[in-house]
Amino acid sequence: NAGVMQNPRHLVRRRGQEARLRCSPMKGHSHVYWYRQLPEEGLKFMVYLQKENIIDESGMPKERFSAEFPKEGPSILRIQQVVRGDSAAYFCASSTLTRQGDAQPQHFGDGTRLSIL
Amino acid sequence: GDSVTQMEGPVTLSEEAFLTINCTYTATGYPSLFWYVQYPGEGLQLLLKATKADDKGSNKGFEATYRKETTSFHLEKGSVQVSDSAVYFCALTSTDSWGKLQFGAGTQVVVTP
Repeated sequence: NAGVMQNPRHLVRRRGQEARLRCSPMKGHSHVYWYRQLPEEGLKFMVYLQKENIIDESGMPKERFSAEFPKEGPSILRIQQVVRGDSAAYFCASSTLTRQGDAQPQHFGDGTRLSIL
Repeated sequence: GDSVTQMEGPVTLSEEAFLTINCTYTATGYPSLFWYVQYPGEGLQLLLKATKADDKGSNKGFEATYRKETTSFHLEKGSVQVSDSAVYFCALTSTDSWGKLQFGAGTQVVVTP
């Protein structure tokens, strides 16, 4: 009974490199969400995706960050040309169909801790 | 915009004490409200939820009641255990952005034997 699976658990990159974070949702879940947790802060929403569609990307930085959830395979959060300020824990969550007035609980993975040297 | 405000931590208390974590919110429409718990090194786990006014969510001895008149969703537990030590997050999804969880800053709870 696998929950939300994220990998890697820890990722170290040097400034200027690319970071690629993967998330496999719970079985039966078609909605994926990415959140970022900076040190000593709460979680901030980044992006909400369904298969092959971005539903809400209002929390994504305008540059260097992108996300996808292809028809086959995990969701990917990609950060290009990483900087020190990108160091954070990145959490993925998934849910079943959710709609206005009927928000389904989001189930979280254990996160990827990204460290930028 | 929508926001969630929680009491600051850390909250330190002895085993079997009563726990209250205050949470208030600002949102348009009728948000759904949630409490999540995060243990060290792990992701968030849903603790309880309420989707309309006067609903009471409960789980593992924790309770919270959706109070629309005071825009609050305070978390309570009558007798805490050392294993309840964690960070607790209050969160909402609003009717115009139902896919987005808006979190409070989190409250760290430390329970001592």
